[in-house]
Amino acid sequence: DIQMTQSPSSLSASVGDRVTITCRASQGITNYLTWYQQKPGQVPKLLIYDASTLQSGVPSRFSGSGSGTDFTLTITSLQPEDVATYYCQEYNSAPLTFGGGTKVEIK
Amino acid sequence: QVLLVQSGAEVKKPGASVKVSCKVSGYTFTNYGISWVRQAPGQGLQWMGWISGYNGNTNNAQKFQGRVTMTTDTSTSTAYMELRSLTSDDTAVYYCARIPFDSRGPSTYWGQGTLVIVSP
Repeated sequence: DIQMTQSPSSLSASVGDRVTITCRASQGITNYLTWYQQKPGQVPKLLIYDASTLQSGVPSRFSGSGSGTDFTLTITSLQPEDVATYYCQEYNSAPLTFGGGTKVEIK
Repeated sequence: QVLLVQSGAEVKKPGASVKVSCKVSGYTFTNYGISWVRQAPGQGLQWMGWISGYNGNTNNAQKFQGRVTMTTDTSTSTAYMELRSLTSDDTAVYYCARIPFDSRGPSTYWGQGTLVIVSP
């Protein structure tokens, strides 16, 4: 099974800051990676798929990059509404493992 | 529009089983799969498995092997997830989500979640 290691597990940043979350796969998954945002009490929301493709309707301050084993989710200018937990998930092969999550808060 | 509507909250005793339904609308059920994901209180997302809406083929996470059964009813565009031999560790919100027919893609649409509480 592929393991997905996300870091950091939590972070606190100021409004307007650039925020970077990383996700590392235990083996190569080409670009079969997605990022979800989950706000408290809500259903996960798709942000990015195929590692770097922005889902329709998602603000352009979110971006994804990477391939193989190392991936990054970047928020270029953190906004108050971005407070959430972010998860990566691989879909290269079952089980479709999630990362442990990164909780993003405003400083 | 695409909707996935799940059955309501359940409270079960340890050792019992629970069956959660996920009725979809707004797309052709057999053209996609359904993934099941759970989230224990205060914890992260855990993938349980997926089922093809086309032919009912399944692939379950090893953690749940022998304890979970995923099925579909194409006549009603409904997917089901049954989990047996429940323990308190199974207390969680259970989500269904639409995935591509071959599972190689993201979950764009999610059900609202079903809270399952396992308590003596």
